[in-house]
Amino acid sequence: EAQVTQNPRYLITVTGKKLTVTCSQNMNHEYMSWYRQDPGLGLRQIYYSMNVEVTDKGDVPEGYKVSRKEKRNFPLILESPSPNQTSLYFCASSPQEGQPQHFGDGTRLSIL
Amino acid sequence: AQSVTQPDIHITVSEGASLELRCNYSYGATPYLFWYVQSPGQGLQLLLKYFSGDTLVQGIKGFEAEFKRSQSSFNLRKPSVHWSDAAEYFCAVVPSGNTGKLIFGQGTTLQVKP
Repeated sequence: EAQVTQNPRYLITVTGKKLTVTCSQNMNHEYMSWYRQDPGLGLRQIYYSMNVEVTDKGDVPEGYKVSRKEKRNFPLILESPSPNQTSLYFCASSPQEGQPQHFGDGTRLSIL
Repeated sequence: AQSVTQPDIHITVSEGASLELRCNYSYGATPYLFWYVQSPGQGLQLLLKYFSGDTLVQGIKGFEAEFKRSQSSFNLRKPSVHWSDAAEYFCAVVPSGNTGKLIFGQGTTLQVKP
């Protein structure tokens, strides 16, 4: 089954404790992206990657890092999480940039 | 500033009634346009897309959308709403000249009355 898998689905943690949210897709897609969803703001793009070793900033990249060492994986790293990063996060992929994206089920992060 | 606007935060319609959700964008050139739906606790699912050509596009679940260049709009419609259509709907845009980005509107929550 074609899917984008995020882990963990839920996480409660504390300020400053580094965390990584993994994202993996099994569709051999070139393009992957991360979004955060906050009430009243819709989804905002954090980072995207058009291919292996190619990443670029979205609209809200501050406080986040990503890497794309292999095509299927695109982890989101919070080096020093803060409470304002409490949000619902989505990973997505598509065959190429500009194409419709296939979304994961989301990761709900709470940072205390 | 470049943006995507969904003017209606919340809409309530009766089951069987028609539906129109509004979306306006402010980009100079025609972008790629999408509508996604999010059911509670779920990820986003693509309803339909517009890249070029026929300005009336058909999607899944009986939805359609019309691109109007003169109004910078891409409104979503359905002739007869079902209770299962209750969800949050997002309009999204890939700006021409920056196809790595995807910009979402704020979303419209649809409630369906029996």
